[in-house]
Amino acid sequence: GAGVSQSPRYKVAKRGQDVALRCDPISGHVSLFWYQQALGQGPEFLTYFQNEAQLDKSGLPSDRFFAERPEGSVSTLKIQRTQQEDSAVYLCASSLTRSGANVLTFGAGSRLTVL
Amino acid sequence: GDSVTQMEGPVTLSEEAFLTINCTYTATGYPSLFWYVQYPGEGLQLLLKATKADDKGSNKGFEATYRKETTSFHLEKGSVQVSDSAVYFCALRQTSGSRLTFGEGTQLTVNP
Repeated sequence: GAGVSQSPRYKVAKRGQDVALRCDPISGHVSLFWYQQALGQGPEFLTYFQNEAQLDKSGLPSDRFFAERPEGSVSTLKIQRTQQEDSAVYLCASSLTRSGANVLTFGAGSRLTVL
Repeated sequence: GDSVTQMEGPVTLSEEAFLTINCTYTATGYPSLFWYVQYPGEGLQLLLKATKADDKGSNKGFEATYRKETTSFHLEKGSVQVSDSAVYFCALRQTSGSRLTFGEGTQLTVNP
């Protein structure tokens, strides 16, 4: 596609619910990143894929967070048993090359609100 | 670990005013430095970058120079426009790594 597409754009969840956030990167992009952006803060790294391989998941804040990219294209970020502190905008970005050394293209983000 | 510190906002300017947004960083080695801009309802967009000391990145009238001696990458524009109103993020990436480390962001509002 023309850009990185994320869905849903807005999600409201009750505390304890599971959520799934989807990212459609630009077709052919090898690298895919997830970032978490709390209100009034800069994005913070969560995890990185090169094709279907998850090469770095050191930024995932707890074992309730899980990401996958099974066919090296679409990626899903899953949050289990959501907590209020999970409320944030979740950003996906993709890059044509390995390691993301090229320009990253960001999606508009999925805003999660946990009540 | 690596970190980026930006001047606190929000910043409010009149059209055609001079803009400076300060950015300093803490990192080992020689990271690449970036400025990203986020317009309301849109994704982060790369504004400019510099990959080594004394490099100057520039785009759309914005400039920033990679200063190794002061570990800084301040963003400047000589004459801002209303359309420049957005949130600006300074970021770094280690040459050996992939992830970006962002500053907190600076909200800029330009009034006509």
